[in-house]
Order: sequence, then C-alpha cells, then structure tokens
Amino acid sequence: IQLTQSPSSLSASVGDRVTITCRASQGISSYLAWYQQKPGKAPKLLIYAASTLQSGVPSRFSGSGSGTDFTLTISSLQPEDFATYYCQQLNSYLLTFGGGTKVEIK
Amino acid sequence: QVQLVQSGAEVKKPGASVKVSCKASGYTFTSYGISWVRQAPGQGLEWMGWISAYNGNTNYAQKLQGRVTMTTDTSTSTAYMELRSLRSDDTAVYYCAREVFGVVMRAMDVWGKGTTVTVSS
Repeated sequence: IQLTQSPSSLSASVGDRVTITCRASQGISSYLAWYQQKPGKAPKLLIYAASTLQSGVPSRFSGSGSGTDFTLTISSLQPEDFATYYCQQLNSYLLTFGGGTKVEIK
Repeated sequence: QVQLVQSGAEVKKPGASVKVSCKASGYTFTSYGISWVRQAPGQGLEWMGWISAYNGNTNYAQKLQGRVTMTTDTSTSTAYMELRSLRSDDTAVYYCAREVFGVVMRAMDVWGKGTTVTVSS
C-alpha cells in the first residue's frame, strides 16, 4: 500500500492553521497514524486510528479521514511544531510510511 | 518508565553484517511487537519489518527479504535486527519501536533513540 503525502514541504508562520494530507493507494479503514520528527530525533507518535490524539499531545493537533484520504491539522502553529510529519498505514502486516511533509518557518 | 535502549553506532565494510540490539524496560516485553525502521541521510522513514515478542513471528519488508533477520530474547527483553550483505545504501539510522497492533489502536508508540550504521570501504 502506497501513501502519498502533500505537500512535501510548506512554509508557515506562528499562529497559522496548517493542513497536511495523506492519500492511500487502497482503502485502509482508519488504520492510519501520524508522527512528528525533529532533526536528529526519533519520530514521536501524535495520532493513531486516524483521529485519536496520543496521550500528552497538544489539542491543537487533530486528524481526520478514513478509507483512502486523511488529513493532519495543526490549528495554530507553535514554534515547537516546526518539524517533519509522516503518515503511516497499519491496515496490513506490511506497513508503509508516507514521504513526509517538512513544515518550515516563513 | 517505558523505554527502548539501542546499541551504539557501527561502521561496517560492504558485504559485512551488522546486528543492532534494542533493550526494552518498563513494560511487559511479550505483550507487544517490535518494529524496525530506518532512515537514510536526508531521507524519509522506511519500515523494515516486525517481530512479535510473544511468539517470534516476523514480517519483513519485501525489499529486505533474505538479508534481514529479526529475533528476540525474552529472558533479557531485548530485540535484535541483523542485516547481512551490507551495501553503501544501507547507511542509515536504524530505529526500533514498540508496536501496538490491536483492533482499535495500531501505532508505534515508543521509539528508541536510533543506531547509526555506516557502510563504507
């Protein structure tokens, strides 16, 4: 199963609303997770089951979608949110990641 | 606290093998799986495979079939990933992650800090 993320990068300002999309090549129900990765660090789980916020993750992060189309939204971008975001499908036993979206400071 | 501690950086020559370890603590090791994910310099995340710490069942990414072996030692709560016939494009940071694969929650919720493997002649 292929995952296509868009955009591959974006520039935004603190306080902006940011939306990242992830499209699966076939239906994956709601078995999609989102991760945040900062340079030199391991990825961090943000959202699982497409829309469930992992414990401790700020509520400005939200996820939606099912089937093949998913979105990650940051309602008000904060300085610590500048990072790369990856989607991942866990519908099958052969997992895949999207190509990533780098969120940079405008 | 729940954590995964990985072994140190490795430098290997092309054609050699590398074995990376991942020691779990703070949770019941056999209740979860362990996935391995790698990241080449400047590139995205690549899922390599998964092992059940309960029964040792494995699933490997097709492109690595035949070169990778994942094992666990439940007596020490440690997972291992061995990659053989190393090539320069295997140069990457290798992560282990605890995988939850339930009916509702499926995700990698705890990650190791990564092990840098450099393949160079």
